[in-house]
Amino acid sequence: DQQVKQNSPSLSVQEGRISILNCDYTNSMFDYFLWYKKYPAEGPTFLISISSIKDKNEDGRFTVFLNKSAKHLSLHIVPSQPGDSAVYFCAASVRGSNYKLTFGKGTLLTVNP
Amino acid sequence: EAQVTQNPRYLITVTGKKLTVTCSQNMNHEYMSWYRQDPGLGLRQIYYSMNVEVTDKGDVPEGYKVSRKEKRNFPLILESPSPNQTSLYFCASSSTGGGHTEAFFGQGTRLTVV
Repeated sequence: DQQVKQNSPSLSVQEGRISILNCDYTNSMFDYFLWYKKYPAEGPTFLISISSIKDKNEDGRFTVFLNKSAKHLSLHIVPSQPGDSAVYFCAASVRGSNYKLTFGKGTLLTVNP
Repeated sequence: EAQVTQNPRYLITVTGKKLTVTCSQNMNHEYMSWYRQDPGLGLRQIYYSMNVEVTDKGDVPEGYKVSRKEKRNFPLILESPSPNQTSLYFCASSSTGGGHTEAFFGQGTRLTVV
């Protein structure tokens, strides 16, 4: 039972345009959501997070939107840069869940110069 | 520099030969965990530890053991590796619980069992 779903295995965008990565979840108990970025031969690194009490969080070029009624979140990257090319993982957790993060399968973003 | 260090980075072994992948963090984090990453499956948690001597199973614990005798170290032990444990392994640590903080990941250990 996949509780966090990233239905697009890959996404290709042009440099300077917007990248939108999507994530859906099924567990209504999730109350905290995170995005991680992973380059080849490196471990994932934290990018941005959002609590379920908010519907938007911004950090520079990165914005995460949360739609609780639709159980959907998205990561917007504006403007996209070639250095953003990586695999992006969506993750979710439940307060008091013994520290467990549940990850999606990831989306490979390619930003073309 | 804050970091999570895994060793080795690459390992090829034979079926049944016990091995240990080490993980160490220098951030005094209480929480540590192990994940495996497989194509099309994302990151799946193997084991986690909330503090010294406190460990518990994640989603895919079969065939693995862990120990947490010191706060900074969290080794992953494969007593009798099998080919289906060929994977990319990541150790992670974080300071607080409930997943409400960022986790720091090591660089990964690519294990091949033949």
